[in-house]
Amino acid sequence: GQQLNQSPQSMFIQEGEDVSMNCTSSSIFNTWLWYKQDPGEGPVLLIALYKAGELTSNGRLTAQFGITRKDSFLNISASIPSDVGIYFCGKKTSYDKVIFGPGTSLSVIP
Amino acid sequence: KAGVTQTPRYLIKTRGQQVTLSCSPISGHRSVSWYQQTPGQGLQFLFEYFSETQRNKGNFPGRFSGRQFSNSRSEMNVSTLELGDSALYLCASRLSGDEQFFGPGTRLTVL
Repeated sequence: GQQLNQSPQSMFIQEGEDVSMNCTSSSIFNTWLWYKQDPGEGPVLLIALYKAGELTSNGRLTAQFGITRKDSFLNISASIPSDVGIYFCGKKTSYDKVIFGPGTSLSVIP
Repeated sequence: KAGVTQTPRYLIKTRGQQVTLSCSPISGHRSVSWYQQTPGQGLQFLFEYFSETQRNKGNFPGRFSGRQFSNSRSEMNVSTLELGDSALYLCASRLSGDEQFFGPGTRLTVL
């Protein structure tokens, strides 16, 4: 099947630090999606990537589509307490089916 | 504009019972998808409906079923509940593009 791997599984960082997480796949992707899920809520789309090598920013968030099309990373700069949550990468397949990675849990220590 | 709403938010059932969960998409959204989220398996796709037709289905047993009404509201049903069905069930709606808007989920506990 189409498995996604995310690392690290969890992170504990100090407020103000930068964060980097990545997602890898054994198969080539055409679209990478990054979501964030706050406690008690559903996931929210942060960034969508469509081209190999593409670098896209959304405020303090930056994501890149790997050149091999098998990986992507997400960076968060100057973390703040509201960045706490679980970050998922995902691939959109046919219609609206999204295959999600296992997630990276981020904790920010004030 | 109201977001995706799911009812009920919490549900406790016993093994062997059946359950129906409801999802109201954002007004104008015709695509509705359902996902199951568990600590062990993560987020897994259940099925997707568009204009009352199931367009895509995940790898779940036939005990899991769904439907969509003409107003785009959707329901999913799980029959003969098992302990392993305890999960957060998320519904998402989409208008166009890649962004799916998720509801807050229904937390199902099977005892």
